[in-house]
Amino acid sequence: DIQMTQSPASLSASLGETVTIECRASEDIYNGLAWYQQKPGKSPQLLIYNANSLHTGVPSRFSGSGSGTQYSLKINSLQSEDVASYFCQQYYDYPWTFGGGTKLELK
Amino acid sequence: EVQLVESGGGLVQPGRSMKLSCAASGFTFNNYDMAWVCQAPKKGLEWVATISYDGSSTYYRDSVKGRFTISRDNAKSTLYLQMDSLRSEDTATYYCARAPGTTVPFDYWGQGVMVTVSS
Repeated sequence: DIQMTQSPASLSASLGETVTIECRASEDIYNGLAWYQQKPGKSPQLLIYNANSLHTGVPSRFSGSGSGTQYSLKINSLQSEDVASYFCQQYYDYPWTFGGGTKLELK
Repeated sequence: EVQLVESGGGLVQPGRSMKLSCAASGFTFNNYDMAWVCQAPKKGLEWVATISYDGSSTYYRDSVKGRFTISRDNAKSTLYLQMDSLRSEDTATYYCARAPGTTVPFDYWGQGVMVTVSS
């Protein structure tokens, strides 16, 4: 199975700040990488797919990058509504696997 | 508007069975692969199973192979997860999700249904 290691596990940032979350795969996943946002008590919402493609309706302050085994999610100009947990997921090979998550809070 | 509504969760004893349903609307159900994803309390997400748009192919994580069965009824736009021989470690919120294809994983999710396996 492909292991997804996400960092940091938690993050505290100020409004307007730029935040970066990293995800490392145990082998090359050829950009088969997605990012999800999950707010407390809610289901996950797709943000990014194919490592860097923005899903419909997602604000442009979210962006994804990376290749091979290293990927990142960047949130520009942090807003209060961005407080949530974020998960990466590889869908290059079964079983599809998720990172452990990053909990983003406001400082 | 795409909507996925799960039902059928609750409390079940270890070793017993439970069947989850997911009613889909707002899109052409039989054009899409569908999947189940679970999340244990305060834990991360785990992919459980995927079924192809026509039901001809199914994929499972190892821990549920032989115990869980994913199926669909395209005439009713409904996805199912039959869970047999349930274990305490199956306790989780189960989400159904639309899986458009190899380039996009899960683009829409249901609200989730809680399954608690306990005596």
